[in-house]
Amino acid sequence: QVRLVESGGGVVQPGTSLTLSCAASGFSFRDYAMYWVRQAPGEGLEWVSTISDHAVNRYHAGSVKGRFTISRDNVKNILYLQMNSLRTEDTAMYYCARATRDDSGFYCDYWGQGTLVTVS
Amino acid sequence: QPVLSQPPSASVSLGASVTLTCTLSSGYSNYKVDWYQQRPGKGPRFVIRVGTGGIVGSRGDGVPDRFSVLGSGLNRYLTIKNIQGDDEGVYYCGADHGTVANFMGIFGGGTKLTVL
Repeated sequence: QVRLVESGGGVVQPGTSLTLSCAASGFSFRDYAMYWVRQAPGEGLEWVSTISDHAVNRYHAGSVKGRFTISRDNVKNILYLQMNSLRTEDTAMYYCARATRDDSGFYCDYWGQGTLVTVS
Repeated sequence: QPVLSQPPSASVSLGASVTLTCTLSSGYSNYKVDWYQQRPGKGPRFVIRVGTGGIVGSRGDGVPDRFSVLGSGLNRYLTIKNIQGDDEGVYYCGADHGTVANFMGIFGGGTKLTVL
């Protein structure tokens, strides 16, 4: 079955860097776009980044553009989020999600359990 | 880009039905919307995708057919029949927007569903 397991979260100081990983299994990772979505404590979902199946296209939300970089390793089946210049407002649970495409766009059909990043 | 609006809360009695609404901002009536369920302390779970013609594709893994959808104008509705205790949680609608040049994901603020 599809499994997504995030790791790499922790408590860090403002201005520092952190790299999140998402290990994928149970499906052909290289055939799917992938998302990072975050959720600040007590708040709703916020889209962070999307990467296409072969990493040709990468997109980031305005709030993280220039500081975060999404990438992937289609041999190791791992999705990454490199986060630099972290701010207190980046404190959130970070989820990775598999994106399935249909004729009108993407939807996130499988999600991980998340990894918590605290910037303080 | 489109904005997705959701009422912040709803409540329903065990065994009854409830309809949740996600409203697209003006000009985006052709957009499909996805519904996600987030139970307390858990990650989100894909429920179902909806356009103006109703359901698009299949329900998410393990989602029962008590969950159905309808689309009309700017509104995308999620109806849950015969409410069970584990239907309680926050329901988000989401969509994507843009082209290859400038893509973004969008979520509504979520509706917290309380089962009485």
